[in-house]
Amino acid sequence: AQKITQTQPGMFVQEKEAVTLDCTYDTSDQSYGLFWYKQPSSGEMIFLIYQGSYDEQNATEGRYSLNFQKARKSANLVISASQLGDSAMYFCAMRERLLGKLIFGQGTELSVKP
Amino acid sequence: DADVTQTPRNRITKTGKRIMLECSQTKGHDRMYWYRQDPGLGLRLIYYSFDVKDINKGEISDGYSVSRQAQAKFSLSLESAIPNQTALYFCATSDGDRGNNQPQHFGDGTRLSIL
Repeated sequence: AQKITQTQPGMFVQEKEAVTLDCTYDTSDQSYGLFWYKQPSSGEMIFLIYQGSYDEQNATEGRYSLNFQKARKSANLVISASQLGDSAMYFCAMRERLLGKLIFGQGTELSVKP
Repeated sequence: DADVTQTPRNRITKTGKRIMLECSQTKGHDRMYWYRQDPGLGLRLIYYSFDVKDINKGEISDGYSVSRQAQAKFSLSLESAIPNQTALYFCATSDGDRGNNQPQHFGDGTRLSIL
């Protein structure tokens, strides 16, 4: 069965510093997709970044980058130059290949300190 | 206007009541999903639909039913609500024709409390 594990329930980072949020996954599929979503305290789910299992380059979107290590089955989110508005829950998710369902991790709550 | 709209945004009701949560989208996506979020458990899939005549159970469908009235509308019903169905509910959509690298787009959620 496919599974996503986020082992950091909560993280703190100083404003303007970089932070890495961990995500490991388990799947027997060769083709899969990994996503990161941000959930601020207002509750909405905001798509941040995507990494495909066959992508040779690590994905980047502005201040977000994904450190994809396929052999280790990890897809860590790196946020550079943290801002106060980055304080939120962050979810790692994997797309199930055949049916397109998303399987979510438990989330990491990030707090950015001024 | 939001691309994925959920109504109501908040609802408080009593045990045993029938409740319907509605979702509509203007993205033209064929796939629609209902998730619930509980603290510490992430999001879990309740039901999903790939087309108007296609309805599939997710991992936690017991106690729920859905209706895909049109491509743009997907409603979730709790026939007889119970307190452990208190949660944050999300509707999401995706474009199945564009492949598996397309993100799911979420509504703003419905906070449901069952007393």
